[in-house]
Amino acid sequence: AQKVTQAQTEISVVEKEDVTLDCVYETRDTTYYLFWYKQPPSGELVFLIRRNSFDEQNEISGRYSWNFQKSTSSFNFTITASQVVDSAVYFCALRSSGTYKYIFGTGTRLKVLA
Amino acid sequence: EPEVTQTPSHQVTQMGQEVILRCVPISNHLYFYWYRQILGQKVEFLVSFYNNEISEKSEIFDDQFSVERPDGSNFTLKIRSTKLEDSAMYFCASSDRAGRHNEKLFFGSGTQLSVL
Repeated sequence: AQKVTQAQTEISVVEKEDVTLDCVYETRDTTYYLFWYKQPPSGELVFLIRRNSFDEQNEISGRYSWNFQKSTSSFNFTITASQVVDSAVYFCALRSSGTYKYIFGTGTRLKVLA
Repeated sequence: EPEVTQTPSHQVTQMGQEVILRCVPISNHLYFYWYRQILGQKVEFLVSFYNNEISEKSEIFDDQFSVERPDGSNFTLKIRSTKLEDSAMYFCASSDRAGRHNEKLFFGSGTQLSVL
């Protein structure tokens, strides 16, 4: 079975604080792909990052960084020095090889307060 | 940056009616998808479409639903005999390289369907 768990339903931080959004996944496949999407109040889903199961390198993009740990089946997302514009719902998603289907987590609503 | 366009942004219909949700994927993309998000819940896969046929569908995508690419640019989702529980945000997505290690799905802004 494939599953994505985002245990944090909602997080509130004050601007400039760092925040980490957790994502734990389950899959029996050895090849799979993990994604993070941002859903701002306007509603669209915006691609942030893809990570392949065979590439465990962590990645940093500006204030965003991702920590992929196969040993714990986690793909956590950290925003450094958060800003009000980061307020959104963030979804983690999983796709296994051999399927086109993305499995999304339930999302984490991030509120960054000024 | 090219984008996926969905129309209408909001659709209100009476229970039992048929609706067609429209999408214009990014022009050089070959793989098309519909997902839906019931208010406050997770985003759920409905169907994927490639080479003018369904490549994969979920258990949600039963005979009530159908997809079509009527011309070279549009991709539609038809929902027959709508039910209250069909009320959701419906997202169209497209990709030029599905199933590959460097894929990326582009989503539209969604159509909010309200069934009364």
